Amino acid sequence: GQNIDQPTEMTATEGAIVQINCTYQTSGFNGLFWYQQHAGEAPTFLSYNVLDGLEEKGRFSSFLSRSKGYSYLLLKELQMKDSASYLCAVRDKAYSGAGSYQLTFGKGTKLSVIP
Amino acid sequence: DAGITQSPRHKVTETGTPVTLRCHQTENHRYMYWYRQDPGHGLRLIHYSYGVKDTDKGEVSDGYSVSRSKTEDFLLTLESATSSQTSVYFCAISDREYSPGELFFGEGSRLTVL
Repeated sequence: GQNIDQPTEMTATEGAIVQINCTYQTSGFNGLFWYQQHAGEAPTFLSYNVLDGLEEKGRFSSFLSRSKGYSYLLLKELQMKDSASYLCAVRDKAYSGAGSYQLTFGKGTKLSVIP
Repeated sequence: DAGITQSPRHKVTETGTPVTLRCHQTENHRYMYWYRQDPGHGLRLIHYSYGVKDTDKGEVSDGYSVSRSKTEDFLLTLESATSSQTSVYFCAISDREYSPGELFFGEGSRLTVL
């Protein structure tokens, strides 16, 4: 099974940098994903890490350490529109035999960006 | 944006009644999923499909059934709705088995069971 932990809420100031942490304990690991979800909307894919290190995509970066079971999402130059929930999800290594790997989601971190 | 729509978007029903939610995609993606999202629990997988007539259970499948008779449609049925099934239901699709596995989500269906 999977156990994924991330902070429930965070607040940061417009223009600043914020780091959202995610720790996981899994029986198998085959990738870590970050999704963004604005209130009342569907989640949208942000980033994916399968190897250790930093993946950068514009203002967003995601880091993974497989040995520590740890990832973070880094948001730079925060904007008001970044106020949303950020979901960490882990893909299980176990192939289900049904043609699909499964994603397990954390409970999400609600980020509030203030002026 | 992936072409994925859910219906109905909002539904209020009574305990014991059957409910069917529909997910329709225009992307011809092989994989389709139903998740529910509840405060304090995050997104949890109910059922998924890996092809026409091919489905399997997820983490919280009790009380739910699914069907996929066409590539584009994935139906979630609550045979006899209970108040614990009050939730927001998201359908998701993916065309990738071995690569990143990015999911595209529908807008969600908010179900209230009284």
